[in-house]
Amino acid sequence: DGGITQSPKYLFRKEGQNVTLSCEQNLNHDAMYWYRQDPGQGLRLIYYSQIVNDFQKGDIAEGYSVSREKKESFPLTVTSAQKNPTAFYLCASSATTVRNSPLHFGNGTRLTVT
Amino acid sequence: GNSVTQMEGPVTLSEEAFLTINCTYTATGYPSLFWYVQYPGEGLQLLLKATKADDKGSNKGFEATYRKETTSFHLEKGSVQVSDSAVYFCALLTQGGSEKLVFGKGTKLTVNP
Repeated sequence: DGGITQSPKYLFRKEGQNVTLSCEQNLNHDAMYWYRQDPGQGLRLIYYSQIVNDFQKGDIAEGYSVSREKKESFPLTVTSAQKNPTAFYLCASSATTVRNSPLHFGNGTRLTVT
Repeated sequence: GNSVTQMEGPVTLSEEAFLTINCTYTATGYPSLFWYVQYPGEGLQLLLKATKADDKGSNKGFEATYRKETTSFHLEKGSVQVSDSAVYFCALLTQGGSEKLVFGKGTKLTVNP
């Protein structure tokens, strides 16, 4: 079945460590996105990529980095510069643009930093 | 700036009750409007959308009408089921080339048998 795989489901890190969240899709979608979800808040866009080897900052990119070396993969690194990294992270993809095709989401990774 | 305001939850209903979840927006021009649903333990999935004023989006018994005059996109369902228990997010996408969906905070719905 086609879909988006995020791993791991739960991730624990110590403060000061960088951590990379995995996102893989086998939908052959061009565009991929990373969102952050905090309790009582809507989703906020961190980074997005519409094509391999290119990506753009979203609304809350500070303290995060991404790469898009392959069409099916869009890993997110949460760096030690991110002041409040504990959150639920959702990866998504769309066939073309979000205007023309719906977002497909993974099941998320819950990151806890202590 | 662009924003979406949803009614605060949680909302608790009995099975077969009528559902309304209010959503209003602030945006320049004519945004596209969406409802996404997040079932427990899962990512979000698109429920319905409307791209211009007076359009009605519908899916799985849910409906929402794009009202430009009241800047609203309220979600309704005539008879909810236990399986509708989820968190519902209203979202907008502004005109132009932006890829930035703006989401509301979400409304948690619990339907009891």
